[in-house]
Amino acid sequence: KAGVTQTPRYLIKTRGQQVTLSCSPISGHRSVSWYQQTPGQGLQFLFEYFSETQRNKGNFPGRFSGRQFSNSRSEMNVSTLELGDSALYLCASSPGTGHETQYFGPGTRLLVL
Amino acid sequence: QKEVEQNSGPLSVPEGAIASLNCTYSDRGSQSFFWYRQYSGKSPELIMSIYSNGDKEDGRFTAQLNKASQYVSLLIRDSQPSDSATYLCAVTAPGGYNKLIFGAGTRLAVHP
Repeated sequence: KAGVTQTPRYLIKTRGQQVTLSCSPISGHRSVSWYQQTPGQGLQFLFEYFSETQRNKGNFPGRFSGRQFSNSRSEMNVSTLELGDSALYLCASSPGTGHETQYFGPGTRLLVL
Repeated sequence: QKEVEQNSGPLSVPEGAIASLNCTYSDRGSQSFFWYRQYSGKSPELIMSIYSNGDKEDGRFTAQLNKASQYVSLLIRDSQPSDSATYLCAVTAPGGYNKLIFGAGTRLAVHP
């Protein structure tokens, strides 16, 4: 099976702009979770989508949003970018029953100038 | 108190030795426990998952879980320089479906 894919892999934006990241899960997986990784805060959970519904949400401001499509592909959007949003954004896929192994994609590295 | 705690390291071991990585978690309701390995500039890669008390072995890796002590460990036998990476302990939040809570990670350095 193909692994989790994320696009784009690298992105440079300026403050105030918005960005959309995409994630395609492993075939057959219905859950997609998003994480932010920074040197200072480590890996932090953003949100999880399952069957096109947000099932769980972390402690991030409303500027961070996401959605999932019927084919389980997911996108996350960050509006009004801030310098502190510079990070590695990771998505992880799993079958969807909960408390199960998640497989990470290669990540999107976002730099906000 | 952080929800998942790990020593940041670096933990330095000679090639061929056993590396022991430890993790404690605060929520007794946590159900699933994972060890991920992350090389610099790469994404986390699953090493082991463990769900019940006791030991689970996979090749050179052994995960140990003690829910009473809220403690998870990872042993790496016959450590190789290629094992040098950051090891992340992750725990699913109770009632959180697939919400993973990560520790800060332990840097392991295996020297020849």
